Amino acid sequence: DGGITQSPKYLFRKEGQNVTLSCEQNLNHDAMYWYRQDPGQGLRLIYYSQIVNDFQKGDIAEGYSVSREKKESFPLTVTSAQKNPTAFYLCASSKTGVRTGELFFGEGSRLTVL
Amino acid sequence: DQQVKQNSPSLSVQEGRISILNCDYTNSMFDYFLWYKKYPAEGPTFLISISSIKDKNEDGRFTVFLNKSAKHLSLHIVPSQPGDSAVYFCAASALDSNYQLIWGAGTKLIIKP
Repeated sequence: DGGITQSPKYLFRKEGQNVTLSCEQNLNHDAMYWYRQDPGQGLRLIYYSQIVNDFQKGDIAEGYSVSREKKESFPLTVTSAQKNPTAFYLCASSKTGVRTGELFFGEGSRLTVL
Repeated sequence: DQQVKQNSPSLSVQEGRISILNCDYTNSMFDYFLWYKKYPAEGPTFLISISSIKDKNEDGRFTVFLNKSAKHLSLHIVPSQPGDSAVYFCAASALDSNYQLIWGAGTKLIIKP
């Protein structure tokens, strides 16, 4: 079945550690996205990539890094520079942009910093 | 400053009745609006969208209404079913931003038997 796979679903991290969240899609979509969701807030865009080897900062990119070496993969690294990393992270993809096509989401990764 | 607001964190509706979820926006550059539905432990899934050139879009039991002058849109679900219990997100996009959506905080809809 086509879809988006995020791993791990749950992750605990000590302060000062970097952690990488995996996102893989087999939908043959060109664009991929990382969002962060906090309680009582809408989804906020961290980074997005329109095409392989290219990515753009979203609204809250500070403390995060990404890479897009393959069309199928868009990993997100939460660095120690991220002041408040505890959150629910969602990866998504789309064939084109978000306006004409729909976003397809993974099931999310919940990161807790201890 | 929230550009997309869903002022009702939760809404409870009797099964079979109409559910109305509301969304307000402040940015007049938004011209495309989408509703997503999210079940617990799952990612959001696309439900319905509307362009600013329309004031209504219908898909089965789901209808979205857009009032541009009031910068307000609403999602109507008729009749409401137990499987409609979920969190509903409103999202908006501007013409010059093909890869960015601005999201509301969501409304949790509970359908009572």
